[in-house]
Parts: sequence; structure tokens; C-alpha cells
Amino acid sequence: ETGVTQTPRHLVMGMTNKKSLKCEQHLGHNAMYWYKQSAKKPLELMFVYNFKEQTENNSVPSRFSPECPNSSHLFLHLHTLQPEDSALYLCASSQTGGSNYGYTFGSGTRLTVV
Amino acid sequence: EDQVTQSPEALRLQEGESSSLNCSYTVSGLRGLFWYRQDPGKGPEFLFTLYSAGEEKEKERLKATLTKKESFLHITAPKPEDSATYLCAVQPYNFNKFYFGSGTKLNVKP
Repeated sequence: ETGVTQTPRHLVMGMTNKKSLKCEQHLGHNAMYWYKQSAKKPLELMFVYNFKEQTENNSVPSRFSPECPNSSHLFLHLHTLQPEDSALYLCASSQTGGSNYGYTFGSGTRLTVV
Repeated sequence: EDQVTQSPEALRLQEGESSSLNCSYTVSGLRGLFWYRQDPGKGPEFLFTLYSAGEEKEKERLKATLTKKESFLHITAPKPEDSATYLCAVQPYNFNKFYFGSGTKLNVKP
């Protein structure tokens, strides 16, 4: 399988639940990202990993906890979320330092917090 | 502060009716400007990269142009399958991240 794969595609969770989003890339990229996409808003960068080391945390609340065990896999652990956290969560990858093609995105996880 | 603004927010066209989408940007040194297409329920898909003012790129009915302050995505004789949200992003020098606009949602009616 090629590209960036995200699972699950849809997730409904209560505010007291704990769940995890998974992202996997088969492109040989060494940078991975989590973005949040809300309606009518620009994509919000959440976390950046380069060579599996976190290089940016864009003031994200601690109820979102990323994990990058290797350059191909990225997780976003979720706990005690709020309804306003409902959004499309996108994973992306690229070569560190940029690429002529920008990011390669996954299809996203549509998260609904009830 | 690095910033990207896209307009219009939404655009409805009849099939065959050409138009342009705008992406205005402010960035401290532009490494590249990127256009993406996003279909409902999917992640953004890469279309073009532009690097310097005066540069143009074309793909089928789409043409992207770049000036020092803005980029246009021209759509010539659009078809219903061109309906999507089009996103613009800029990458500054020395930063391995992108600043995205809010997108333009294009709806092409048959």
C-alpha cells in the first residue's frame, strides 16, 4: 500500500473516553504532521515530527498526546476531549526541509465528540 | 506575521463558465506556494508548486500564477468534476511547515 493511511476514518467518542488515531506512510518521508481541520477555518498545525523527534507543538492542549515510534508511524492519543474538538484530523508527511510537492496527506479521521 | 487569505469563500459556476480563485499571502521570504484540491471526506491532494513571481503552471483546465503578493488559480471551462475545495499554502524559507488559507469551495453546476 502506498501513500498516507489514516485509521479510523470516523470516530465518535464521549468526553470521558480514551481513543487513538493512527497514521502510516509508505513514502520514505522523514517528517510527519498532525493537522486539525474545522469548517471554514485554515488547517491548524498541531504537531511536527522530524526523524521521529517532535520539533513543534503548536500550543496544543494536553488532552491531545502524539506519539511517533518511527518515521513511518504517527499516533494521536485522545482523552477527555471537548465537543469543540470535533473536526477532521489530518496526518501528512514530507521530506524534512520541504519538497517540491509539499505534503502528502492522508484522508483524515472525522472525529465527533459527544 | 505569515498569513494566507483566500477568496472568495465559495464560488458557484455553470459548466463552461471560467473564473479565478485568489490567494493573497504575507510571508517572510517565500520558499514555495502550493495549491491543493480537497474533495469531501478526503485529505488535500497536491496540484501545483510555484516558486517565484511570474511563474505559471498548468494542468488540464487549471492554471496557477504567482505574483509577489498573490496567486491565482484560473479555471477554464470548468466541469462538474472540478467541484471541490481548493486550498492554498505558503512555505517560508527556513521553516519546514506550511501556512494554509481557509480554502475556496467551488461548485460547478451542469
